[in-house]
Amino acid sequence: AQKVTQAQTEISVVEKEDVTLDCVYETRDTTYYLFWYKQPPSGELVFLIRRNSFDEQNEISGRYSWNFQKSTSSFNFTITASQVVDSAVYFCALSVFPFYGNKLVFGAGTILRVKS
Amino acid sequence: EAQVTQNPRYLITVTGKKLTVTCSQNMNHEYMSWYRQDPGLGLRQIYYSMNVEVTDKGDVPEGYKVSRKEKRNFPLILESPSPNQTSLYFCASSLSGFYGYTFGSGTRLTVV
Repeated sequence: AQKVTQAQTEISVVEKEDVTLDCVYETRDTTYYLFWYKQPPSGELVFLIRRNSFDEQNEISGRYSWNFQKSTSSFNFTITASQVVDSAVYFCALSVFPFYGNKLVFGAGTILRVKS
Repeated sequence: EAQVTQNPRYLITVTGKKLTVTCSQNMNHEYMSWYRQDPGLGLRQIYYSMNVEVTDKGDVPEGYKVSRKEKRNFPLILESPSPNQTSLYFCASSLSGFYGYTFGSGTRLTVV
């Protein structure tokens, strides 16, 4: 069975601080995809990134960066110089090949509060 | 614009009164799915569909029904809603598991 753990229930930071959201996953499959989604206060789910299990390169997109480490089964997300607009719930999710039911297995989410 | 449209956005109903939440996608995706979101639990899959007339249960299917008569539509039916079905519901569609899902805006359902 697959499982995603986001141990941090809630994080509060002051604007301009860097913050890292942790994600640990469990699967016995060798082919899988990892995702991060953002849920702002308005409630919709916004796709941030997708990473496959064969690509361990870290990724940077503006103030966002992701660190994928298969050795520790982690896919952590860092926001550099956080802003108030980053306040949201962030979900890490896992999809395994051959994508039984095309299911995304989600973590419980981390609430990020950025204060000005 | 490519999107998943679900309606209504908000719904308050009484126990036992049948309701349907509609979902439609305009991306010609084969895969569609329903999730519910509850605090501390993240999102959990209710039902999924891999194509027209092909549906199957997800992790929490009890109390729900779905149908897929057309590729673009995937309604969620609660025949006899109960208070434990109070939740935030998301419809989603996908080309395949490689791409993850595109989600609708969500339906906040309250059953009293």
